[in-house]
Amino acid sequence: EVQLVESGGGLVQPGRSLRLSCTASGFTFGDYAMSWFRQAPGKGLEWVGFIRSKAYGGTTEYAASVKGRFTISRDDSKSIAYLQMNSLKTEDTAVYYCTRGMGIYYFDYWGQGTLVTVSS
Amino acid sequence: SYVLTQPPSVSVAPGQTARITCGGNNIGSKSVHWYQQKPGQAPVLVVYDDSDRPSGIPERFSGSNSGNTATLTISRVEAGDEADYYCQVWDSSSDHPEVVFGGGTKLTVL
Repeated sequence: EVQLVESGGGLVQPGRSLRLSCTASGFTFGDYAMSWFRQAPGKGLEWVGFIRSKAYGGTTEYAASVKGRFTISRDDSKSIAYLQMNSLKTEDTAVYYCTRGMGIYYFDYWGQGTLVTVSS
Repeated sequence: SYVLTQPPSVSVAPGQTARITCGGNNIGSKSVHWYQQKPGQAPVLVVYDDSDRPSGIPERFSGSNSGNTATLTISRVEAGDEADYYCQVWDSSSDHPEVVFGGGTKLTVL
């Protein structure tokens, strides 16, 4: 059974950093792209970014709203994807979801999400 | 950037057919994916690549895509289908490729 479990969320002050982790199980982690999404309270889904598998270069893509502040990485030996968030803003407050990427970028498994609150 | 437009809400009686549209410029040339999200839960993929269903998704869920409109069709609607539905594409047409979502449609079962 595929499982994705996010961790690392919490309350953080504006301008500070936070790192989220996504621990995967039930599939060969290194064979898949991994992506992060977020959803602000009462709002729709927003893509944050993804990292391709090593077979496709392990390269990353980011949404314009986070590019230069957020970094996605992966440790295939541990089946973990990371989202490093720097220079956090109040508008980054959201539930953050980790997902597995497929095909022409659709996302077939989602974690339960972890809440990040950016507030002073 | 590429824009996907969904109606904010759709209402349907149980047993009837719900159609949720997703509009975008020449969206028929892209692969469209649909997600269902119930309150307090993570999204669930219900249709991918325009019209394919993941395992475990009922045949009542189907999709189509042509021209400037993609459509998610839910036949024989049940109370448990009440949720927010989002369409999604991968837009690689610009210098800044991105995953794009529609704004979401709230399906109400009357």
